[in-house]
Amino acid sequence: GESVGLHLPTLSVQEGDNSIINCAYSNSASDYFIWYKQESGKGPQFIIDIRSNMDKRQGQRVTVLLNKTVKHLSLQIAATQPGDSAVYFCAEKPPARQLTFGSGTQLTVLP
Amino acid sequence: DVKVTQSSRYLVKRTGEKVFLECVQDMDHENMFWYRQDPGLGLRLIYFSYDVKMKEKGDIPEGYSVSREKKERFSLILESASTNQTSMYLCASTPTGPHEQFFGPGTRLTVL
Repeated sequence: GESVGLHLPTLSVQEGDNSIINCAYSNSASDYFIWYKQESGKGPQFIIDIRSNMDKRQGQRVTVLLNKTVKHLSLQIAATQPGDSAVYFCAEKPPARQLTFGSGTQLTVLP
Repeated sequence: DVKVTQSSRYLVKRTGEKVFLECVQDMDHENMFWYRQDPGLGLRLIYFSYDVKMKEKGDIPEGYSVSREKKERFSLILESASTNQTSMYLCASTPTGPHEQFFGPGTRLTVL
């Protein structure tokens, strides 16, 4: 999962395997969540979002799961590829407030 | 495609200098944001704007100011740069409502 500090959590997976990246969010009132991907030296790139009235949403090779009971968000990447290596972070948005971002997880895809 | 551009990718300034970081978006978004990103700390909101000439402080506004004279442009100003402002600065924009934020490529600022 994500945490605040000097060192990012890391996840290493073999190419072709599935990846699961976790995020614990803080505000039970948050009703909108986003996953971003950030490659080295680039700005964050939107992957997928989910609203609090859903518990699962699928995109191309990615699935986001939302568990409001334990305030947990996960991103599943199917058949992980070398181009998926990046920092992934979640963001939550409470009503009438701005997005709050997690610190991220470094995903490394091994050949 | 939404495009958010930032005036510089890399910038080196000296302590005490006044620094301007410019951001332009081409999708007529109402909201624009400035963040700084430091290793392990995630994105921290400096200032945001929800309309022309409107600005709101974020979580870490000290040492910064902003200007939004036109809808498409949001400037971040460091009145007197200090070494602890060495960071990656990211601009983003979004339309009103719960939407993703679209980010620029970032400006890596080094203050010597």
